[in-house]
Amino acid sequence: EAQVTQNPRYLITVTGKKLTVTCSQNMNHEYMSWYRQDPGLGLRQIYYSMNVEVTDKGDVPEGYKVSRKEKRNFPLILESPSPNQTSLYFCASSFRRQGTEAFFGQGTRLTVV
Amino acid sequence: GDSVTQMEGPVTLSEEAFLTINCTYTATGYPSLFWYVQYPGEGLQLLLKATKADDKGSNKGFEATYRKETTSFHLEKGSVQVSDSAVYFCALYMDSNYQLIWGAGTKLIIKP
Repeated sequence: EAQVTQNPRYLITVTGKKLTVTCSQNMNHEYMSWYRQDPGLGLRQIYYSMNVEVTDKGDVPEGYKVSRKEKRNFPLILESPSPNQTSLYFCASSFRRQGTEAFFGQGTRLTVV
Repeated sequence: GDSVTQMEGPVTLSEEAFLTINCTYTATGYPSLFWYVQYPGEGLQLLLKATKADDKGSNKGFEATYRKETTSFHLEKGSVQVSDSAVYFCALYMDSNYQLIWGAGTKLIIKP
Protein backbone atom coordinates (compact mmCIF):
# COMPACT_ATOMS: atom_id res chain seq x y z
CA GLU A 1 0.00 0.00 0.00
CA ALA A 2 1.28 3.44 -0.99
CA GLN A 3 1.81 5.48 2.12
CA VAL A 4 3.77 8.06 4.06
CA THR A 5 4.57 6.94 7.59
CA GLN A 6 5.39 9.36 10.37
CA ASN A 7 6.49 8.50 13.86
CA PRO A 8 5.63 9.17 16.56
CA ARG A 9 1.98 10.22 16.27
CA TYR A 10 2.07 12.00 19.61
CA LEU A 11 5.01 13.39 21.56
CA ILE A 12 5.32 15.43 24.71
CA THR A 13 8.78 16.68 25.50
CA VAL A 14 10.58 19.30 27.54
CA THR A 15 12.25 22.45 26.34
CA GLY A 16 15.75 21.86 25.02
CA LYS A 17 15.59 18.08 24.67
CA LYS A 18 16.57 17.10 21.13
CA LEU A 19 14.03 15.07 19.21
CA THR A 20 13.57 13.55 15.78
CA VAL A 21 10.33 12.90 13.95
CA THR A 22 10.75 10.27 11.27
CA CYS A 23 9.08 10.20 7.88
CA SER A 24 9.25 7.42 5.33
CA GLN A 25 7.53 6.91 1.97
CA ASN A 26 7.32 3.81 -0.20
CA MET A 27 6.37 5.40 -3.53
CA ASN A 28 9.84 6.34 -4.82
CA HIS A 29 8.89 10.03 -4.72
CA GLU A 30 11.61 12.56 -5.39
CA TYR A 31 9.98 15.39 -3.49
CA MET A 32 9.39 15.40 0.26
CA SER A 33 8.46 18.18 2.63
CA TRP A 34 7.55 19.02 6.19
CA TYR A 35 4.69 21.27 7.26
CA ARG A 36 3.37 22.54 10.52
CA GLN A 37 -0.30 23.24 11.02
CA ASP A 38 -1.45 25.77 13.59
CA PRO A 39 -4.95 27.10 14.24
CA GLY A 40 -5.75 30.06 12.01
CA LEU A 41 -2.46 29.78 10.12
CA GLY A 42 -3.13 26.86 7.81
CA LEU A 43 -0.20 24.81 6.55
CA ARG A 44 3.27 26.34 6.62
CA GLN A 45 6.18 24.64 4.96
CA ILE A 46 9.25 24.09 7.13
CA TYR A 47 11.73 22.39 4.79
CA TYR A 48 11.57 20.51 1.54
CA SER A 49 13.77 18.20 -0.47
CA MET A 50 13.84 17.84 -4.25
CA ASN A 51 15.85 14.63 -4.10
CA VAL A 52 18.55 12.80 -2.15
CA GLU A 53 21.05 15.20 -0.55
CA VAL A 54 19.07 18.23 -1.80
CA THR A 55 17.20 20.16 0.87
CA ASP A 56 15.99 23.74 1.14
CA LYS A 57 14.23 26.04 3.56
CA GLY A 58 10.52 26.60 3.41
CA ASP A 59 8.62 29.45 5.00
CA VAL A 60 9.34 28.71 8.67
CA PRO A 61 12.68 26.84 8.96
CA GLU A 62 13.99 28.42 12.17
CA GLY A 63 14.63 25.87 14.91
CA TYR A 64 14.44 22.85 12.59
CA LYS A 65 16.86 20.68 10.65
CA VAL A 66 16.34 17.98 8.06
CA SER A 67 18.39 15.47 6.15
CA ARG A 68 17.80 13.37 3.05
CA LYS A 69 20.38 10.62 2.93
CA GLU A 70 18.03 8.13 1.31
CA LYS A 71 15.18 8.71 -1.09
CA ARG A 72 12.53 7.18 1.15
CA ASN A 73 13.38 8.94 4.44
CA PHE A 74 13.17 12.58 5.45
CA PRO A 75 13.52 13.07 9.22
CA LEU A 76 12.72 16.34 10.96
CA ILE A 77 15.09 17.27 13.77
CA LEU A 78 14.46 19.75 16.56
CA GLU A 79 17.85 20.31 18.18
CA SER A 80 16.51 22.39 21.07
CA PRO A 81 12.72 22.43 21.06
CA SER A 82 10.87 25.41 22.48
CA PRO A 83 7.20 25.83 23.43
CA ASN A 84 6.49 27.81 20.25
CA GLN A 85 7.21 24.65 18.30
CA THR A 86 4.18 22.98 19.85
CA SER A 87 2.18 22.14 16.75
CA LEU A 88 0.80 19.47 14.45
CA TYR A 89 3.42 18.35 11.94
CA PHE A 90 2.89 16.68 8.58
CA CYS A 91 5.28 15.04 6.21
CA ALA A 92 4.33 14.87 2.53
CA SER A 93 5.81 13.37 -0.62
CA SER A 94 5.14 13.51 -4.35
CA PHE A 95 6.66 13.12 -7.76
CA ARG A 96 8.13 16.26 -9.25
CA ARG A 97 5.73 16.90 -12.09
CA GLN A 98 2.73 19.07 -12.91
CA GLY A 99 -0.59 17.86 -11.63
CA THR A 100 0.86 15.24 -9.34
CA GLU A 101 -0.79 14.35 -6.05
CA ALA A 102 0.94 14.93 -2.73
CA PHE A 103 0.61 12.15 -0.16
CA PHE A 104 0.55 13.05 3.50
CA GLY A 105 1.45 11.23 6.66
CA GLN A 106 -1.01 10.96 9.54
CA GLY A 107 0.62 13.77 11.45
CA THR A 108 2.65 14.15 14.62
CA ARG A 109 1.20 16.19 17.44
CA LEU A 110 4.11 17.67 19.34
CA THR A 111 3.82 19.40 22.70
CA VAL A 112 6.87 21.15 24.16
CA VAL A 113 6.54 22.10 27.82
CA GLY B 1 4.23 35.97 -5.64
CA ASP B 2 1.89 33.05 -6.12
CA SER B 3 -0.88 32.77 -3.57
CA VAL B 4 -4.19 31.10 -2.78
CA THR B 5 -7.10 32.74 -0.98
CA GLN B 6 -10.04 30.76 0.29
CA MET B 7 -13.06 31.77 2.29
CA GLU B 8 -12.73 31.84 6.02
CA GLY B 9 -14.60 29.37 8.11
CA PRO B 10 -16.10 27.77 9.83
CA VAL B 11 -18.89 27.15 7.37
CA THR B 12 -21.88 25.57 9.08
CA LEU B 13 -24.63 23.94 7.03
CA SER B 14 -27.50 21.57 7.56
CA GLU B 15 -27.45 18.13 6.00
CA GLU B 16 -28.54 18.10 2.32
CA ALA B 17 -27.71 21.79 1.87
CA PHE B 18 -25.76 23.07 -1.13
CA LEU B 19 -22.11 23.79 -0.49
CA THR B 20 -19.77 26.33 -2.04
CA ILE B 21 -16.30 27.06 -0.71
CA ASN B 22 -14.61 29.84 -2.65
CA CYS B 23 -11.00 29.68 -3.75
CA THR B 24 -9.13 32.21 -5.86
CA TYR B 25 -5.50 32.23 -6.83
CA THR B 26 -2.70 34.42 -8.08
CA ALA B 27 -0.06 32.80 -10.27
CA THR B 28 2.30 33.99 -12.96
CA GLY B 29 2.15 30.79 -14.99
CA TYR B 30 -0.34 27.97 -15.53
CA PRO B 31 -0.67 26.06 -12.29
CA SER B 32 -2.44 22.86 -11.48
CA LEU B 33 -5.18 23.33 -8.88
CA PHE B 34 -6.20 21.01 -6.08
CA TRP B 35 -8.66 20.55 -3.27
CA TYR B 36 -7.45 18.51 -0.31
CA VAL B 37 -9.58 17.38 2.61
CA GLN B 38 -8.52 16.75 6.20
CA TYR B 39 -10.89 14.66 8.29
CA PRO B 40 -10.59 14.97 12.09
CA GLY B 41 -7.40 13.39 13.40
CA GLU B 42 -6.07 12.54 9.96
CA GLY B 43 -3.61 13.83 7.40
CA LEU B 44 -4.61 15.61 4.23
CA GLN B 45 -5.79 13.64 1.25
CA LEU B 46 -6.47 14.67 -2.31
CA LEU B 47 -10.15 15.31 -3.01
CA LEU B 48 -9.96 16.48 -6.64
CA LYS B 49 -7.74 18.32 -9.07
CA ALA B 50 -7.65 20.14 -12.41
CA THR B 51 -4.55 20.66 -14.48
CA LYS B 52 -5.65 23.18 -17.11
CA ALA B 53 -8.22 25.87 -17.75
CA ASP B 54 -11.86 24.73 -18.01
CA ASP B 55 -11.04 21.32 -16.57
CA LYS B 56 -13.55 20.07 -14.01
CA GLY B 57 -12.35 17.90 -11.16
CA SER B 58 -14.86 15.72 -9.36
CA ASN B 59 -14.91 13.13 -6.60
CA LYS B 60 -17.36 11.93 -3.93
CA GLY B 61 -20.03 14.32 -5.22
CA PHE B 62 -17.72 17.35 -5.00
CA GLU B 63 -16.84 19.38 -8.10
CA ALA B 64 -14.60 22.30 -8.96
CA THR B 65 -13.92 23.97 -12.30
CA TYR B 66 -10.63 25.64 -13.20
CA ARG B 67 -11.65 29.15 -14.30
CA LYS B 68 -8.69 31.01 -15.74
CA GLU B 69 -10.67 34.17 -16.50
CA THR B 70 -11.68 34.62 -12.86
CA THR B 71 -8.63 32.80 -11.42
CA SER B 72 -10.94 30.66 -9.32
CA PHE B 73 -11.44 27.03 -8.35
CA HIS B 74 -14.55 27.01 -6.17
CA LEU B 75 -15.55 23.76 -4.49
CA GLU B 76 -19.22 22.73 -4.73
CA LYS B 77 -21.42 19.88 -3.63
CA GLY B 78 -25.12 19.60 -4.23
CA SER B 79 -26.14 17.87 -1.01
CA VAL B 80 -23.75 17.65 1.92
CA GLN B 81 -23.71 14.93 4.56
CA VAL B 82 -22.56 14.92 8.17
CA SER B 83 -19.60 12.81 7.05
CA ASP B 84 -18.38 15.73 4.90
CA SER B 85 -17.46 17.65 8.05
CA ALA B 86 -13.75 18.33 7.67
CA VAL B 87 -11.23 21.02 6.81
CA TYR B 88 -10.87 21.75 3.10
CA PHE B 89 -7.70 23.19 1.59
CA CYS B 90 -7.31 24.74 -1.82
CA ALA B 91 -3.82 24.57 -3.33
CA LEU B 92 -1.94 25.34 -6.51
CA TYR B 93 1.15 23.64 -7.91
CA MET B 94 3.74 25.51 -9.92
CA ASP B 95 5.86 23.35 -12.17
CA SER B 96 8.51 26.05 -12.26
CA ASN B 97 9.56 25.43 -8.67
CA TYR B 98 7.74 22.21 -7.72
CA GLN B 99 5.99 23.98 -4.88
CA LEU B 100 2.50 23.56 -3.56
CA ILE B 101 0.99 26.85 -2.42
CA TRP B 102 -1.77 26.41 0.15
CA GLY B 103 -4.84 28.31 1.15
CA ALA B 104 -5.52 28.73 4.87
CA GLY B 105 -8.16 26.00 4.97
CA THR B 106 -11.92 26.18 5.54
CA LYS B 107 -13.54 24.21 8.30
CA LEU B 108 -16.88 22.74 7.26
CA ILE B 109 -19.42 21.67 9.89
CA ILE B 110 -22.51 19.79 8.78
CA LYS B 111 -25.36 19.48 11.28
CA PRO B 112 -27.92 16.66 11.09
